Amino acid sequence: DAGVIQSPRHEVTEMGQEVTLRCKPISGHDYLFWYRQTMMRGLELLIYFNNNVPIDDSGMPEDRFSAKMPNASFSTLKIQPSEPRDSAVYFCASSFSQGVKVYEQYFGPGTRLTVT
Amino acid sequence: QKEVEQNSGPLSVPEGAIASLNCTYSDRGSQSFFWYRQYSGKSPELIMFIYSNGDKEDGRFTAQLNKASQYVSLLIRDSQPSDSATYLCAVPLQGAQKLVFGQGTRLTINP
Repeated sequence: DAGVIQSPRHEVTEMGQEVTLRCKPISGHDYLFWYRQTMMRGLELLIYFNNNVPIDDSGMPEDRFSAKMPNASFSTLKIQPSEPRDSAVYFCASSFSQGVKVYEQYFGPGTRLTVT
Repeated sequence: QKEVEQNSGPLSVPEGAIASLNCTYSDRGSQSFFWYRQYSGKSPELIMFIYSNGDKEDGRFTAQLNKASQYVSLLIRDSQPSDSATYLCAVPLQGAQKLVFGQGTRLTINP
């Protein structure tokens, strides 16, 4: 398997612009997670999906952030309008579940977002 | 108390020595524990997971879990310069599938 795929790998945009990050999870995985990583705050969970349904979006910083998962093989994270403080590395991860046991998550390569 | 705490780095270890990384967690109900390694500019990579009390060995890596004391540790034997990275401890909390990550410990292996 190719692993989790994210695009773009790097994004530079100006404040106020819309940014869309994309993710393709590992085939067969039923959970998808979006994280943000900064030096100050570390790795933070933004939102996660189970079988394409959002389960917990309590980590989404504000209404400017939205995420969708229209099917099992694709998810987007959108920021509109973007602000300089959104600059971070955004990771997508996926995992497989069986019952209540928590299985390991596999991370994509990340998207480095810079908002000027 | 933070949900997942790791000993602050940076941690410097001479090549060939044992590196010991520690992590404590707050949720007594946690059942699974994960260690990720993250090289600078790269994504986190799973290196160990442990579900039961005691030790789990995989090559030069050993994960140790003590649920009564709520800590999990990672030992790296015969440390190599290629082990230099940030190590993240991750614990699922509140019975959910989501993981909470510690801040990470930056490990440097000195040749």
